[in-house]
Amino acid sequence: QSALTQPASVSGSPGQSITISCTGTSSDVGSYNLVSWYQQHPGKAPKLMIYEVSKRPSGVSNRFSGSKSGNTASLTISGLQAEDEADYYCCSYAGSSTFGVVFGGGTKLTVL
Amino acid sequence: QVQLQESGPGLVKPSQTLSLTCTVSGGSISSGGYYWSWIRQHPGKGLEWIGYIYYSGSTYYNPSLKSRVTISVDTSKNQFSLKLSSVTAADTAVYYCARGFMRFVGLSAAPDAFDIWGQGTMVTVSS
Repeated sequence: QSALTQPASVSGSPGQSITISCTGTSSDVGSYNLVSWYQQHPGKAPKLMIYEVSKRPSGVSNRFSGSKSGNTASLTISGLQAEDEADYYCCSYAGSSTFGVVFGGGTKLTVL
Repeated sequence: QVQLQESGPGLVKPSQTLSLTCTVSGGSISSGGYYWSWIRQHPGKGLEWIGYIYYSGSTYYNPSLKSRVTISVDTSKNQFSLKLSSVTAADTAVYYCARGFMRFVGLSAAPDAFDIWGQGTMVTVSS
């Protein structure tokens, strides 16, 4: 199973919107609606932000949204705030060959 | 609320076995619908799924680590553990334990997302 592909970095100004892509294959992202997104601040554990492509856990701001088209999932953050600056990772179920998951390489979000 | 805490040696010698334990508090590890995972992060790098275990003892491992990994569960202690054998410097990483929930895909249960994480523990492999 290969890692999902994410851009290494994205940036945006406060108040703007950004989108982070996550490209997999027809064996993982393309086949299952089991894509999740995690936010990780330096020195901290990852935090679940989106699951099942577009669902938000309780307590996560509605500025965070997710979507999927074909083999590519996306995370959109609207109304950027300084505290959104972090690393973001996507994750997908990898299918019945392993019954495991595969992560993306991570995207560093910089709020200018 | 459920909390996870990793414990174990922070320094392991090359060729030895890395052993970590994750203690679950605030809830039972035997609760159905959840799987208990190990995930690691090499310094400055991304996340890597190691494997997970269901409370019944069923395990699933990352194919790239499968030959060296064993995950076990002790429901009486509300703990699950990781053993990684024949370690090298490439196994130096922060190791996280995490709770994941499952969804049915067709007739099979599949891992969904990791909703609760431990704080992580740094393990260095060095002589």
